[in-house]
Amino acid sequence: DAMVIQNPRYQVTQFGKPVTLSCSQTLNHNVMYWYQQKSSQAPKLLFHYYDKDFNNEADTPDNFQSRRPNTSFCFLDIRSPGLGDAAMYLCATSRGDREETQYFGPGTRLLVL
Amino acid sequence: RKEVEQDPGPFNVPEGATVTFNCTYSNSASQSFFWYRQDCRKEPKLLMSVYSSGNEDGRFTAQLNRASQYISLLIRDSKLSDSATYLCVVKEVWGSQGNLIFGKGTKLSVKP
Repeated sequence: DAMVIQNPRYQVTQFGKPVTLSCSQTLNHNVMYWYQQKSSQAPKLLFHYYDKDFNNEADTPDNFQSRRPNTSFCFLDIRSPGLGDAAMYLCATSRGDREETQYFGPGTRLLVL
Repeated sequence: RKEVEQDPGPFNVPEGATVTFNCTYSNSASQSFFWYRQDCRKEPKLLMSVYSSGNEDGRFTAQLNRASQYISLLIRDSKLSDSATYLCVVKEVWGSQGNLIFGKGTKLSVKP
């Protein structure tokens, strides 16, 4: 019955070793978002896709990239993870029309050693 | 800088208490307002949207004051299960799209 699925739930990587986080959705929503949330902080939007159109936030580091090969899947690539990139990464979706609710996945907790 | 500010918390209250969370937003062009709930190490989940006229859902009442750029959430008769972090969220809209701007959240602990 899951609607927004993230894999893996926990990811451990080494400093500088590329890592990819996965998100899939069964809602057929137009928009998919990636957020970064550090402890006791608000979720911070990194970027989003409206269909195939990629929208990067101005302060998202180049180290973070994203791919959306089809409607259902969206990936977050961290090219060279640093210790400061350890966080919860949340994927969310929305219809993208006037319906405004965003549906979040359970998140992937990233640990950088 | 566009911001959403919330009470720093944490709020520690006994069961049955009434508690109010306050939130202010800086962008007067903001269009939509929400309260999300986030349990420890879980994802945010929509608690309720906030409408201009104010709205109620069971024990939860949300209010919006556009002139003051202020949003509130009142919880009556607090339950242990209400313990969570409550996130004030504002949507800034351009065209048919918009991004959610999250506050840092206020943590609520309801004690027996």
